[in-house]
Amino acid sequence: GAVVSQHPSRVICKSGTSVKIECRSLDFQATTMFWYRQFPKKSLMLMATSNEGSKATYEQGVEKDKFLINHASLTLSTLTVTSAHPEDSSFYICSAAPEGAYNSPLHFGNGTRLTVT
Amino acid sequence: SQKIEQNSEALNIQEGKTATLTCNYTNYSPAYLQWYRQDPGRGPVFLLLIRENEKEKRKERLKVTFDTTLKQSLFHITASQPADSATYLCALETSGTYKYIFGTGTRLKVLA
Repeated sequence: GAVVSQHPSRVICKSGTSVKIECRSLDFQATTMFWYRQFPKKSLMLMATSNEGSKATYEQGVEKDKFLINHASLTLSTLTVTSAHPEDSSFYICSAAPEGAYNSPLHFGNGTRLTVT
Repeated sequence: SQKIEQNSEALNIQEGKTATLTCNYTNYSPAYLQWYRQDPGRGPVFLLLIRENEKEKRKERLKVTFDTTLKQSLFHITASQPADSATYLCALETSGTYKYIFGTGTRLKVLA
């Protein structure tokens, strides 16, 4: 089955620093990946759609300069949280959609728990 | 405004019973609806997808219905087991894109 690998699974950083999270599709190509944020006992909030070779599309209210997304290849998207603050602490999850199959299941990574101190 | 609601935040049932979870939506006309399972600290795992022209879909002990008139999907787990305890999320496809919007989730606990 399709596997999405997300790294790191946990990261603790100091306020003001930047953190990069990687999302890889291991056995399929993903022209589109999605980044979500999830608060405790809450649902997934879509942050942005990452498109290979072009700019990401951000959801309303998500700061583009704060959450930098790069999708440089068909198997890798990265989310960089810049100048992190404690309120950025959250669970970040990526998902990938198989190329040309918008009605197929989403494949999720196992998430990254970010704690900003 | 567009909204997706799942019937209850938490649901406890006795082992062996059928669990029924509800997903209601307003101001959407999704062509596809999916159900996912999420365990604590993990990413969601796909369970079932149903199309707007399908009334019902089954997979082993799972059954999903999709009523586009009522704007509602029901998710059933028959012969529930403690291992079924998890959070279940419904997700609606929007505008023929890959973008799925997730419901608030229902935490199911199956009691032994």
